[in-house]
Order: sequence, then C-alpha cells, then structure tokens
Amino acid sequence: GAVVSQHPSRVICKSGTSVKIECRSLDFQATTMFWYRQFPKQSLMLMATSNEGSKATYEQGVEKDKFLINHASLTLSTLTVTSAHPEDSSFYICSAPRGGAFKGPEAFFGQGTRLTVV
Amino acid sequence: GDSVTQMEGPVTLSEEAFLTINCTYTATGYPSLFWYVQYPGEGLQLLLKATKADDKGSNKGFEATYRKETTSFHLEKGSVQVSDSAVYFCAARSNDYKLSFGAGTTVTVRA
Repeated sequence: GAVVSQHPSRVICKSGTSVKIECRSLDFQATTMFWYRQFPKQSLMLMATSNEGSKATYEQGVEKDKFLINHASLTLSTLTVTSAHPEDSSFYICSAPRGGAFKGPEAFFGQGTRLTVV
Repeated sequence: GDSVTQMEGPVTLSEEAFLTINCTYTATGYPSLFWYVQYPGEGLQLLLKATKADDKGSNKGFEATYRKETTSFHLEKGSVQVSDSAVYFCAARSNDYKLSFGAGTTVTVRA
C-alpha cells in the first residue's frame, strides 16, 4: 500500500484563489520531503525541499512567496499555491525518503495532484 | 549537480516485443540509479534500482545494469505486455539526496 499520501488528487480553482496540497507519510517520520512539478510530457522538476521545523529550501527560479511550504510535523508537509493563475496549472508530486534524507536509497512518492486554474 | 539523459519517446511496441530504454548519467561521484514508472493518472513508483557499479536491478521482468565505464543504466524487458504501457523515468541520486530525473519515455504496448 501507499506509504506517502497526497491530497487532493485533483483540484480546479479560479484565478486569484489559493490552493493547499497536503503530503503525508503514513508509516514513517519524514524530516524531509520534496515537492516536484511536472509539466505535460516533461520530466519532474524539483521545486523545493521541505524541512520539518525550519524553512523550506527553494530551487532556483521558484518563487517562495508563490509556493508556500509548511512542514509542521514529522508526517505532514503542505504546499500552498497562492493567487493561482492558469500558468500554475500542472501536476504536483511530493516525495519523502524513508530512513531520513541521508539514509536509505528509496524515496516514496505521493499520488500527485492535478491542479487546474481557470 | 547530477544530470540524466534518457532516450526520447514515444515508443510504441507490440505485445511480446523487446523493450530497451537508454539512460546515461553525469555525476561527480558514483550516484545511486533508479528507474521509476508512472502509470496514467498516478504518481511515480520505484521500478528498480542499483546502488553501485555492476549491480543489476530487476523487477517485474525489467532489468537494468549499472555500467560505470559507460555511465549508463539502460532499462530492458524481454517481452512486454499491454500493462507495461506507462511513462518510464531514469533517475540518479548522489550524496545530496536529491533525485535528478530524465525527461521520461512514454511506452505504449499494443495488443
């Protein structure tokens, strides 16, 4: 079964509104989680690294005020797309490495969230 | 940082055909290598992995061997099924634990 759960799987919102996406590790603690964005027919692009109890680390070119990340507990990270615009429409995926960031070779992925901004 | 170059698709095959998807990487050290599969409308699932040179990862009939001399990790399956239709991603991970993905290869298997 899934070890990382992402919610919602699909969301449609109006331009200018904000959308929150949740990523939960189900049977392990994740001090680090990763948020990716996938454009149609393209690869996954790492957006940011979410760190429990501290600020997220954003990749170059990703607006941190646009994509707010909160990692309030060892099992939950949230990504909020603020003031969404149609160009924010995409597939967002989270992942969490089990065993800590530096241990264990496997990262588990959520099911993904298809965001459509109209 | 690491980078991964993957054979572009789409690839269309008949059932029971042989599948190969080429993947090469560049890295400063010796990364762990992965193949992930994404079925329509779903997230990524780990298909197989190899953590050091000459390791062979295998799962569900798929195989890939970590070749240090050619910096490659090609994915192969001897006889594909319709259910293998998906997008396949090659990925590398070095000590900074971030995964670098290839562009993905869409594979369609026809009955």
